[in-house]
Amino acid sequence: DIQMTQSPSSLSASLGDRVTITCRASQGISNYLAWYQQRPGKVPKLLIYAASTLQSGVPSRFSGSGSGTDFNITISSLQPEDVATYYCQKYHSAPFTFGPGTTVDIK
Amino acid sequence: EVQLVESGGGLVKPGGSLRLSCAGSGFTFKSYGMNWVRQAPGKGLEWISSISSSSSIIHYADSVKGRFTISRDNAKNSLYLQMNSLRAEDTAVYYCAKLYDFWSDSPFDPWGQGTLVTVSS
Repeated sequence: DIQMTQSPSSLSASLGDRVTITCRASQGISNYLAWYQQRPGKVPKLLIYAASTLQSGVPSRFSGSGSGTDFNITISSLQPEDVATYYCQKYHSAPFTFGPGTTVDIK
Repeated sequence: EVQLVESGGGLVKPGGSLRLSCAGSGFTFKSYGMNWVRQAPGKGLEWISSISSSSSIIHYADSVKGRFTISRDNAKNSLYLQMNSLRAEDTAVYYCAKLYDFWSDSPFDPWGQGTLVTVSS
């Protein structure tokens, strides 16, 4: 099975900072990669799919990139409402594995 | 508005059984694959099972294979998860999630609010 890893596991940044989270697949998954945001105590929310396509309603400060095995999600200017845990997920063929998550908070 | 509402969670003893339900509304339920994802307290997300729109394709994570059974009733717009031989490590919030699009290679969106399953003596 393909394993998903994320780095860092957590980060603390200042408001307005540019933040990048990396997700790596143990084998190539083309662009079948999604990013989810889970705010504290809330339900996971789809942010990005097909590695770089922003879900409707997601602020444009979020962007995704990558293909194959290496992917990134970037927040161009960190806002208070971005405090959350971010998960990547492969969705081409089961098991539809999630990464371990990256927790983002404000410094 | 698409809505998914889980029910059926609760406290169960190790070795016991529980059946979760997920009621879908606001979309053509019979046209979309559905999924169960769980999250243990303070932990990350774990995909556990998927079922295609017609129930013809079903997948399970190794951690639940042989113990959990996913099913759906398209006439009732409902998804189910029958959980048998429950263990302490099955304690988690269980979410149902719809495939975002019609095809199987699709992310999960939206998610229900979750139902808590606690396995403890």
